[in-house]
Amino acid sequence: AQTVTQSQPEMSVQEAETVTLSCTYDTSESDYYLFWYKQPPSRQMILVIRQEAYKQQNATENRFSVNFQKAAKSFSLKISDSQLGDAAMYFCALPGEGSRLTFGEGTQLTVNP
Amino acid sequence: DGGITQSPKYLFRKEGQNVTLSCEQNLNHDAMYWYRQDPGQGLRLIYYSQIVNDFQKGDIAEGYSVSREKKESFPLTVTSAQKNPTAFYLCASSIFPTGGLTEAFFGQGTRLTVV
Repeated sequence: AQTVTQSQPEMSVQEAETVTLSCTYDTSESDYYLFWYKQPPSRQMILVIRQEAYKQQNATENRFSVNFQKAAKSFSLKISDSQLGDAAMYFCALPGEGSRLTFGEGTQLTVNP
Repeated sequence: DGGITQSPKYLFRKEGQNVTLSCEQNLNHDAMYWYRQDPGQGLRLIYYSQIVNDFQKGDIAEGYSVSREKKESFPLTVTSAQKNPTAFYLCASSIFPTGGLTEAFFGQGTRLTVV
């Protein structure tokens, strides 16, 4: 069975600074994808970034980047130049059979002005 | 605009009643999913469907039922057998049933409360 673990229930960051959210996972697959989703107070789930496991290069989307360590099964999200609009719950997710997603418990990010 | 529509946004259920949550998508996606979210927790899979007229149980299917008569629609019924139905319910869809090649797109959710 797949598992996804986010060990930081809450994090905070000052506006314009950088924060890193942690995620570890377990899967028996050798080729897979990993996702970070953002859930703002509206509760709409929004895809932030995805990583393909067979790619060595870490994915980057504007201010968002990942540190993917396949051997360690670690997939952290770095948010640079944090903005007030980044405040949200962040979920790490791993697809499995039928593309069903296994989610971590989430990290609530607060951005302080 | 393409997307996933869930209705209603808020739903109240009396003890012993069945209620049905609607999920419609116009993205021409093959796969659809229902997740449950409880406060402070991640999303847990209730049911999923990869193709019309077929669906599979997820991790917490007890007390729920679904149907997939049309590609666009995947309604979820919360039955009286579900002892703790108060939660936030999210519907999602994805273009490929396997491989995780694309992300899941989510609806805006339905908040169900037992009164």
